[in-house]
Amino acid sequence: LAKTTQPISMDSYEGQEVNITCSHNNIATNDYITWYQQFPSQGPRFIIQGYKTKVTNEVASLFIPADRKSSTLSLPRVSLSDTAVYYCLVGPDKLIFGTGTRLQVFP
Amino acid sequence: SAVISQKPSRDICQRGTSLTIQCQVDSQVTMMFWYRQQPGQSLTLIATANQGSEATYESGFVIDKFPISRPNLTFSTLTVSNMSPEDSSIYLCSIPGLRDTEAFFGQGTRLTVV
Repeated sequence: LAKTTQPISMDSYEGQEVNITCSHNNIATNDYITWYQQFPSQGPRFIIQGYKTKVTNEVASLFIPADRKSSTLSLPRVSLSDTAVYYCLVGPDKLIFGTGTRLQVFP
Repeated sequence: SAVISQKPSRDICQRGTSLTIQCQVDSQVTMMFWYRQQPGQSLTLIATANQGSEATYESGFVIDKFPISRPNLTFSTLTVSNMSPEDSSIYLCSIPGLRDTEAFFGQGTRLTVV
């Protein structure tokens, strides 16, 4: 299973764009890249998933370069409610969580 | 998306006792996953529960400590046996979604062992 590496924590201010990058150098051909968000006392929540290039939904964008060895989750105009832990996972099925990135948004 | 209900949402237990956590899903699923999340840490996969077969445990987790039942396609239980304070964690069940690696999680069971 491919291992992921993310920054432990990030700080931002309301209204700013936040980009969280994840490294997954050993990603396999059939692996997808998926990001989850977790608030305290809740289970993780699916944000976005991609295989290559760019994916966008109503919550975030996911940028994946051609070599797929990394990916960047982009959160446009964050608010205080985006304060959470964000996990990057790769794989075809079984979910193995890395350390995650603790995002703190300040007013 | 699926609705996953976990019971109990929290409990405080005496060391040496056992607690059974229930996970109910509103749709039939082949695989269910059980995770542990220790305070301030990431999620660790305990085991995969398949209906009609023995659960598959990850390294560091054994059936005697964490027996799992999967009587049908919508329900599973995880028992934390002979508890010690080190077992104090949040335990979460999860099911796969429609897409590869997408998953849905229950709200978790916060267990405190005293």
